[in-house]
Amino acid sequence: TQLLEQSPQFLSIQEGENLTVYCNSSSVFSSLQWYRQEPGEGPVLLVTVVTGGEVKKLKRLTFQFGDARKDSSLHITAAQPGDTGLYLCAGSGGTSYGKLTFGQGTILTVHP
Amino acid sequence: EAGVAQSPRYKIIEKRQSVAFWCNPISGHATLYWYQQILGQGPKLLIQFQNNGVVDDSQLPKDRFSAERLKGVDSTLKIQPAKLEDSAVYLCASSLGGWENSYNEQFFGPGTRLTVL
Repeated sequence: TQLLEQSPQFLSIQEGENLTVYCNSSSVFSSLQWYRQEPGEGPVLLVTVVTGGEVKKLKRLTFQFGDARKDSSLHITAAQPGDTGLYLCAGSGGTSYGKLTFGQGTILTVHP
Repeated sequence: EAGVAQSPRYKIIEKRQSVAFWCNPISGHATLYWYQQILGQGPKLLIQFQNNGVVDDSQLPKDRFSAERLKGVDSTLKIQPAKLEDSAVYLCASSLGGWENSYNEQFFGPGTRLTVL
């Protein structure tokens, strides 16, 4: 069974601060996705990383895939209240093609 | 492009009652997924369809849960009878590629929040 562990589970910060969310596994994934979910809505895909060591930037968000494709991180620079939400990492491939394995999520609250 | 549609958005039932959820995926998406998301956790896959065939239902509690996608488009998920621990958000998602596509970018609907009393 493939497992993804996210840390921290909860993050409460002030507007303007930086933060990093981690996603770790003992399994190799062929790709890893990050989603953001707001209350009452479904997860929305932010990015997909597929190559070990890959770094992708989306405005103030930076995503990194570990060299061994077992871990990933999401870094937010100068967080804003609009970044508040549940951040989920999800791995695909490896031993379960096509199936997404989700982490338990990180609840981020950015205070004005 | 219209997103994944789900209904109802909210449902409150008593334990041992039955309930059904409906999902219409993005047009042209061959793969459809049903997830259960308990408060504070990530989504857990219940069942995955490729067109109208089941690809993975290993985590579906088959004694009480059933799902179908008869014409390879929309789908229904049923719980009969419901238990207290079924209280959760039920998410439907769809993707373009088949299960062989390991990138598997999925698009989610808004979910149905089920409360079992």
